[in-house]
Amino acid sequence: DVVMTQSPLSLPVTLGQPASISCRSSQGLVYDDGNTFLNWFQQRPGQSPRRLMYMVSKRDSGVPDRFSGSGSGTDFTLKISRVEAEDVGVYYCMQGTHFPFTFGPGTRVEIK
Amino acid sequence: EEQLVESGGGLTQPGGSLRLSCATFGFTFTTYDMTWVRQARGKGLEWVSGIRAGGESTFYTDSAKGRFTISRDNSKNILYLQMNSLRPEDSAVYYCVRGLRIPDSWGQGTLVTVSS
Repeated sequence: DVVMTQSPLSLPVTLGQPASISCRSSQGLVYDDGNTFLNWFQQRPGQSPRRLMYMVSKRDSGVPDRFSGSGSGTDFTLKISRVEAEDVGVYYCMQGTHFPFTFGPGTRVEIK
Repeated sequence: EEQLVESGGGLTQPGGSLRLSCATFGFTFTTYDMTWVRQARGKGLEWVSGIRAGGESTFYTDSAKGRFTISRDNSKNILYLQMNSLRPEDSAVYYCVRGLRIPDSWGQGTLVTVSS
């Protein structure tokens, strides 16, 4: 199975400051059709997860443009340009290229 | 707006069975692959199983193979997860999710507790 790792696992951030989460996969995530199925999800306290980004860098409708995704191969990054209070929660990367699909362990973002 | 509503969770003893259902609304169910994801209390997300839109192909994580069966009724817009030989480590909130490789919409989840 593809192992997804994330760092850091805990990320205290000052409001208005940037934040960056790294996600690495044990295998490359390019599918046979040339697409890279790397997704990012946000889970706020007490809520179901919500998708933020798909296929590395495509932002979902309604997601603020302070969120951005990048990367290729086995290394991916989710960036928040200026953290706001509503961004508190746990962020997960997930690969949808190799069955069984797998999630990273999650990165907890909190306000300092 | 799409909605996914899970049901069927509850308390069962080790070795028992449960069937989870996910009723869907607001989108053309027959055109979407679907997924089950679970989350143990205080833990991260775990991908469990997926199924193609037509039901012709199913996929499982290793711990679910041979014990869980994913299926769908496209005439009723309902996704199922039949879970047999349940273990305490299967205790979790089970989420129904629309999509497979790029899952998007999530239900609110249904809680499964396996305990004697």
